Amino acid sequence: SQQGEEDPQALSIQEGENATMNCSYKTSINNLQWYRQNSGRGLVHLILIRSNEREKHSGRLRVTLDTSKKSSSLLITASRAADTASYFCATLPIGGADGLTFGKGTHLIIQP
Amino acid sequence: DVKVTQSSRYLVKRTGEKVFLECVQDMDHENMFWYRQDPGLGLRLIYFSYDVKMKEKGDIPEGYSVSREKKERFSLILESASTNQTSMYLCASSLGDRTKNIQYFGAGTRLSVL
Repeated sequence: SQQGEEDPQALSIQEGENATMNCSYKTSINNLQWYRQNSGRGLVHLILIRSNEREKHSGRLRVTLDTSKKSSSLLITASRAADTASYFCATLPIGGADGLTFGKGTHLIIQP
Repeated sequence: DVKVTQSSRYLVKRTGEKVFLECVQDMDHENMFWYRQDPGLGLRLIYFSYDVKMKEKGDIPEGYSVSREKKERFSLILESASTNQTSMYLCASSLGDRTKNIQYFGAGTRLSVL
């Protein structure tokens, strides 16, 4: 069942600005992951944060996790036109029997 | 790099036809998944498999079946295609580590049922 909910559904910013997307979920998790999807393509894994971690960095990406609020945020710094894509959060529930549960995504547009 | 290959990028079928969507991964992953993606609904899990000849229903299995005869191949079958099965279908695979489950996706098959 769908658990993650991204916010906002769509975001348009100027190149060079920072983009922040949020994700909320409902049940206890083992980890939370962010994926990117370019138009008409498959999803690509970006970053994973475990439930006992609060923040993680990878290049221009910064992910935070607040398990008490059941929420996460993805920050993309110094955005580029190539960052235009849809971004999905996915949660792995404790037990993980059914695999990942994906949200509906945030569509990010970077204006040149 | 992990490669997940879906046999067709675009497919057009007629109502009532039997449709096979094939997916092959080359990294010896234990887990394989089939999702469909529709605007406004995100990804929804149809079926998944943790091992050869093993399958588990996801959130929306009705109208679909799957086959996993070999570890690298996971097939999605639409027994009698209907127009409401027009969608983007995504296959994914992952290692058997259930504490991580990082999924690698194919490019997708856009299926139109007329």
